[in-house]
Amino acid sequence: DTEVTQTPKHLVMGMTNKKSLKCEQHMGHRAMYWYKQKAKKPPELMFVYSYEKLSINESVPSRFSPECPNSSLLNLHLHALQPEDSALYLCASSPVGVPGNTIYFGEGSWLTVV
Amino acid sequence: GENVEQHPSTLSVQEGDSAVIKCTYSDSASNYFPWYKQELGKRPQLIIDIRSNVGEKKDQRIAVTLNKTAKHFSLHITETQPEDSAVYFCAASSTGTASKLTFGTGTRLQVTL
Repeated sequence: DTEVTQTPKHLVMGMTNKKSLKCEQHMGHRAMYWYKQKAKKPPELMFVYSYEKLSINESVPSRFSPECPNSSLLNLHLHALQPEDSALYLCASSPVGVPGNTIYFGEGSWLTVV
Repeated sequence: GENVEQHPSTLSVQEGDSAVIKCTYSDSASNYFPWYKQELGKRPQLIIDIRSNVGEKKDQRIAVTLNKTAKHFSLHITETQPEDSAVYFCAASSTGTASKLTFGTGTRLQVTL
């Protein structure tokens, strides 16, 4: 089962709202990722968790706050976002330490900030 | 950090023809090179990947070649079909605790009847 599940699929939020994106995988992967993708652009890495610890933060603004409660779950907490943060947010997971470390993407959460 | 360049940005071929997309990377430590296909409104889906200890890999109509010396890798699609129409992204990463994929800018492939 190569499935990464993301909720919600669509989210509209105001600039003063607080919301969260959720991601779940049951493939036993110990690395999980958040990517941001704008229209007609490639995915851009935001955060990487390895063994439930934050290992990479690509200088993401603090209005995005990741959380990894356990090895299957990954959240992205959103607060005081700007309209330019509207994008597709992709969660992904992969094995750790396996040559190749194939990354599997979820369906994504479409975020619109108004 | 790694930089991946991808060409062409758009590619139009007739059904049945071949399509070739090329990428170059900058970091000699990169050793894993996946290709993703993304249809409109969908997630990127892995279609083929190659590791640095292999020069070529084929899966039915899709093949990938890697030239480590020149830091080039390419995607070849033969006998193209309309359902091959999508955006294709190459990527590069070095394996370690977790993969840090750097994507190319994407190629929009249009297969016409």
